[in-house]
Amino acid sequence: DGGITQSPKYLFRKEGQNVTLSCEQNLNHDAMYWYRQDPGQGLRLIYYSQIVNDFQKGDIAEGYSVSREKKESFPLTVTSAQKNPTAFYLCASSIQGALTEAFFGQGTRLTVV
Amino acid sequence: QKEVEQNSGPLSVPEGAIASLNCTYSDRVSQSFFWYRQYSGKSPELIMSIYSNGDKEDGRFTAQLNKASQYVSLLIRDSQPSDSATYLCAVIGGGADGLTFGKGTHLIIQP
Repeated sequence: DGGITQSPKYLFRKEGQNVTLSCEQNLNHDAMYWYRQDPGQGLRLIYYSQIVNDFQKGDIAEGYSVSREKKESFPLTVTSAQKNPTAFYLCASSIQGALTEAFFGQGTRLTVV
Repeated sequence: QKEVEQNSGPLSVPEGAIASLNCTYSDRVSQSFFWYRQYSGKSPELIMSIYSNGDKEDGRFTAQLNKASQYVSLLIRDSQPSDSATYLCAVIGGGADGLTFGKGTHLIIQP
């Protein structure tokens, strides 16, 4: 089955820790995205990548880092510099990157304990 | 700063009636427009895309786009309780930088 897989579904982080969220797709999509969603809010873009070994900051990149070493994978690291990391994190991909719809993984809910 | 505006609701509609959801956007060179449905605790699911002015119909759903007014809407005919969800409007602007989302409209279909 083709799709986007995010793991884990739930993640708990202690203050001061870095954590990495996984996103893998087997749709052969060029572009991949990370969004953050807070309760009652829309999705805000953290980082995006249109091609392997290249990525750009979105609207709220501070405290986050990414890599794109393979077309299929776009992991997101939430660093200790992110002061309010508790949120629902969504990974998406699209076929051309510019004008076409994006499809989402099932999300990772991160909670700071 | 690109903006996408939606009425947060809740919008309450009787079962069987037409639900009308609206969205405005600020970037005049926006090219692609999407409606996603999101159930509580789940990820967004694409239900409609529209790229040119006019109407696009798919089953019970109709998307309407008016680029001159920077307005896009979604009509849901014969509303069902399973349509109760948050509907997110998303826009791709002039740059290749992904979708910009509105905050969503919470739709409640009353049996």
